[in-house]
Amino acid sequence: DTEVTQTPKHLVMGMTNKKSLKCEQHMGHRAMYWYKQKAKKPPELMFVYSYEKLSINESVPSRFSPECPNSSLLNLHLHALQPEDSALYLCASSQLPGQGRAQYFGPGTRLTVL
Amino acid sequence: RKEVEQDPGPFNVPEGATVAFNCTYSNSASQSFFWYRQDCRKEPKLLMSVYSSGNEDGRFTAQLNRASQYISLLIRDSKLSDSATYLCVVNKDSSASKIIFGSGTRLSIRP
Repeated sequence: DTEVTQTPKHLVMGMTNKKSLKCEQHMGHRAMYWYKQKAKKPPELMFVYSYEKLSINESVPSRFSPECPNSSLLNLHLHALQPEDSALYLCASSQLPGQGRAQYFGPGTRLTVL
Repeated sequence: RKEVEQDPGPFNVPEGATVAFNCTYSNSASQSFFWYRQDCRKEPKLLMSVYSSGNEDGRFTAQLNRASQYISLLIRDSKLSDSATYLCVVNKDSSASKIIFGSGTRLSIRP
């Protein structure tokens, strides 16, 4: 019943690979987010896009590169990842990034880096 | 002090019981408050927003105490399907783009 979709559901990649995670929302939201979640920990914010512009980068290593092609789509490009980057990557969206705007999460991509 | 603190639990209660969780936050400038639930290996799902006057949604009641900087969630007549981790979420400051998650409270309902 989620209106935020993410592909792929699972991804296994080597440290020299380049891959991309994709997220799409169909709610007309203008803010989109990437989070990383490790087992038994809460989600950690990585990036925020507001009106298709990057507004927050939480000091994420450059091997993670976000992209927002339009207001419905959000990508996360991955290159030269490390095994410790293995985690659940969650995309979320919200209405205008203002007060009281709840975020809605996609089902996530479970990433394993070998 | 953590920005958002929750009792990690686990809370193990029988079906039909009433259970309450508290969550404290450190930034008095926070304006937005939410409860999410997260099932094992699934995404967080919004359970309810928390309003200043308190609000109820079926068996769930949320309260906000700004003076003491805590929010609470009460679950009445608990069901087996309520078993999950409950995440307290607070916006970091006046910028609502950044939200802070508590570490979550695990709830297990037994038959």
